[in-house]
Amino acid sequence: QKEVEQDPGPLSVPEGAIVSLNCTYSNSAFQYFMWYRQYSRKGPELLMYTYSSGNKEDGRFTAQVDKSSKYISLFIRDSQPSDSATYLCAMSEGGGSNYKLTFGKGTLLTVNP
Amino acid sequence: NAGVTQTPKFQVLKTGQSMTLQCAQDMNHEYMSWYRQDPGMGLRLIHYSVGAGITDQGEVPNGYNVSRSTTEDFPLRLLSAAPSQTSVYFCASSYRTLDQGGFGANVLTFGAGSRLTVL
Repeated sequence: QKEVEQDPGPLSVPEGAIVSLNCTYSNSAFQYFMWYRQYSRKGPELLMYTYSSGNKEDGRFTAQVDKSSKYISLFIRDSQPSDSATYLCAMSEGGGSNYKLTFGKGTLLTVNP
Repeated sequence: NAGVTQTPKFQVLKTGQSMTLQCAQDMNHEYMSWYRQDPGMGLRLIHYSVGAGITDQGEVPNGYNVSRSTTEDFPLRLLSAAPSQTSVYFCASSYRTLDQGGFGANVLTFGAGSRLTVL
């Protein structure tokens, strides 16, 4: 079993829809959870990060972490065509010397006008 | 503020040739890393560095070499290119957030990528 599993999609939604993107993981030592957005032929860029369990909201984006279920989600409200991109989840363990991120394979999202 | 700069953006090599992908950052980040991204495989860590003079292997290091003589630069060398190394390569530098619990999230800033084709 891969450490991080992410449904590659593709996911296609109409403009204005609520989008739910998810990842599951197997490593219970993961403590930091991140979502990156990658536009076509560009480098990934950080959207949000959270520590341990709970929710975090930033504008139209909400990240949720459920450590008991080893499940994280990213919700996009009022989705826009500009949200069309690949969304990558990433996770890392705690510890001052641990810099390594483990990425999911990414979910391709298309928001249709 | 340029962030993370990768050169070249595109490169075509023949099997057996060697080359260096350049990466430079101007954010004074201690941590730098190289990833390759292949369809259906996601981002895979090749090598990383936690500071000048310190490098370590990631998930897929074979066929690649790195060095870190300065904080700013982290070149990736392909020793003898193979078709299996056809990929998009991303360099990243990072900092720790220190605004949440524990030791902080390692937040990566990626370059724009280098597309390499090996014939």
